[in-house]
Amino acid sequence: DSGVTQTPKHLITATGQRVTLRCSPRSGDLSVYWYQQSLDQGLQFLIQYYNGEERAKGNILERFSAQQFPDLHSELNLSSLELGDSALYFCASSPRGSPDTQYFGPGTRLTVL
Amino acid sequence: SQKIEQNSEALNIQEGKTATLTCNYTNYSPAYLQWYRQDPGRGPVFLLLIRENEKEKRKERLKVTFDTTLKQSLFHITASQPADSATYLCALEAPNDYKLSFGAGTTVTVRA
Repeated sequence: DSGVTQTPKHLITATGQRVTLRCSPRSGDLSVYWYQQSLDQGLQFLIQYYNGEERAKGNILERFSAQQFPDLHSELNLSSLELGDSALYFCASSPRGSPDTQYFGPGTRLTVL
Repeated sequence: SQKIEQNSEALNIQEGKTATLTCNYTNYSPAYLQWYRQDPGRGPVFLLLIRENEKEKRKERLKVTFDTTLKQSLFHITASQPADSATYLCALEAPNDYKLSFGAGTTVTVRA
């Protein structure tokens, strides 16, 4: 158990819908990262937040957005969902003392029908 | 464009042997290179980090080398066990860049 929690574990929805994925980092960690993992694209970095501020952005679609709240939990919002958005979405956090080490959560499996 | 390649999709080895995995990269100047283990349907687990000025790092039965001239890292699992069966991912982080770029992974199966 990495200490990073993600909810829900599974999500099944229809095309065109909007969903919110939630992540709580390890206690004391200020950084939160979001990744998407699909069979054809592998593990892809989406976005990072540090203490509430966006710090780095990857190939995140405009239909996707994220935020980190004052209590440091983070949410990833996916809208106008398409079949190709079906994937595992992981959240990770890193400790202040070792910012390059990331601890991954168990992931949310999103299925878009 | 930047590319990270891991040597093969799958590696099958006999218990007790050494598994050697390769990670090659192009158009990167990474500050760090990391190796993660991922079991099916689960999040990656951090194993080792090696910096650009380090040649080798060890942790228990794991050994990582990093050759910035060859742009290559080797990951060794010695005295392999069936419990080592998993997918192993290499990841790079460029200087002052806060995002990790991952390779596609190599799936290791250790036969008893």
